[in-house]
Amino acid sequence: DTGVSQDPRHKITKRGQNVTFRCDPISEHNRLYWYRQTLGQGPEFLTYFQNEAQLEKSRLLSDRFSAERPKGSFSTLEIQRTEQGDSAMYLCASSQPWDTQYFGPGTRLTVL
Amino acid sequence: KQEVTQIPAALSVPEGENLVLNCSFTDSAIYNLQWFRQDPGKGLTSLLLIQSSQREQTSGRLNASLDKSSGRSTLYIAASQPGDSATYLCAPTSGTYKYIFGTGTRLKVLA
Repeated sequence: DTGVSQDPRHKITKRGQNVTFRCDPISEHNRLYWYRQTLGQGPEFLTYFQNEAQLEKSRLLSDRFSAERPKGSFSTLEIQRTEQGDSAMYLCASSQPWDTQYFGPGTRLTVL
Repeated sequence: KQEVTQIPAALSVPEGENLVLNCSFTDSAIYNLQWFRQDPGKGLTSLLLIQSSQREQTSGRLNASLDKSSGRSTLYIAASQPGDSATYLCAPTSGTYKYIFGTGTRLKVLA
């Protein structure tokens, strides 16, 4: 068990570009969560998967954001036409049902 | 809608002090509440998980209590050390088990 991993750890992009982040959960965990955290704030929930099904999406997740979890394993979060307001730390977490969520190290996005 | 408040927002104490971090939440219909630690620029590390049926949990120098009916939790840190310096976040869970986080308490323990 190597924990939750995220890639890349840092991403710098220009406004208007598309970016994609990857999360690899703990292997036996069937739940996967994405959160976003801006400086000085606690993480905010974005979306959640149980296996490959996306069961809940926050209103924070505009139509420029899309998340997938093919085959219920790793997950990707894509942001299209990035804006400066998208600059944040994107955190992934995984868990067994109704159990502790284990967080990855995060991907820090900077949009110039 | 669940709202979480943490007080104080920042705290600076000399090494060795015992301290209490407070967390309050507006919706008492929670499954459990978790306390996390976050070091600057890093992910979250789980500290303690209290189920809604429990009153407290202990791990080493940490003790967390939960008063679900009044919407309050406290994290007690005994004999604080410089290595305890971090941001501490509380997060109750309900519904689909997503965490709702407060803005955290930034703790600095001075050597």
